[in-house]
Amino acid sequence: KQEVTQIPAALSVPEGENLVLNCSFTDSAIYNLQWFRQDPGKGLTSLLLIQSSQREQTSGRLNASLDKSSGRSTLYIAASQPGDSATYLCAVLGDSNYQLIWGAGTKLIIKP
Amino acid sequence: SQTIHQWPATLVQPVGSPLSLECTVEGTSNPNLYWYRQAAGRGLQLLFYSVGIGQISSEVPQNLSASRPQDRQFILSSKKLLLSDSGFYLCAWALISGANVLTFGAGSRLTVL
Repeated sequence: KQEVTQIPAALSVPEGENLVLNCSFTDSAIYNLQWFRQDPGKGLTSLLLIQSSQREQTSGRLNASLDKSSGRSTLYIAASQPGDSATYLCAVLGDSNYQLIWGAGTKLIIKP
Repeated sequence: SQTIHQWPATLVQPVGSPLSLECTVEGTSNPNLYWYRQAAGRGLQLLFYSVGIGQISSEVPQNLSASRPQDRQFILSSKKLLLSDSGFYLCAWALISGANVLTFGAGSRLTVL
């Protein structure tokens, strides 16, 4: 059974720092992995999606990597800004079903 | 372009009352549709998913039910709400083929008193 873990659960850093959020999964048989952002009381916004055949995806200041063999993904945020404050979730889509398995999220606070 | 609508945005209901949350998708055909619940301080929990009209799969035993009367309509219901049903409910859609990007609605916050 696939399990997804996100570490740390919460992170607070000063503005301008580069940071890394971690996501690990137990079953490497995945179709893709997706990173989302959730602002308090709001829905989720898809940030980056990495197919199982890919190693990384980039969008602006965000870079997501995927290492299937070790069951890990990282979300790198460069030059963090207060507007980056949110909860970041990763989700894994298994390659044999239509279900996403979610991590519990990392709550990120960027201090001005 | 595809859009997803979810309503109502907020709802306050007494215990024992019925519930109906609706979700519709525009701009696509035969999407996979999902209902998630996010309880305060906890991660997302998949409640139901549907791969087609009338096809509903339930992930957890619960007081809720889901229906898909049309291709792009997904409804979450309850006959009698419990206090534990309070939470933030999110509808989402994805295509079976292609990038499988999951797109979420804005969410519905339910408070059961």
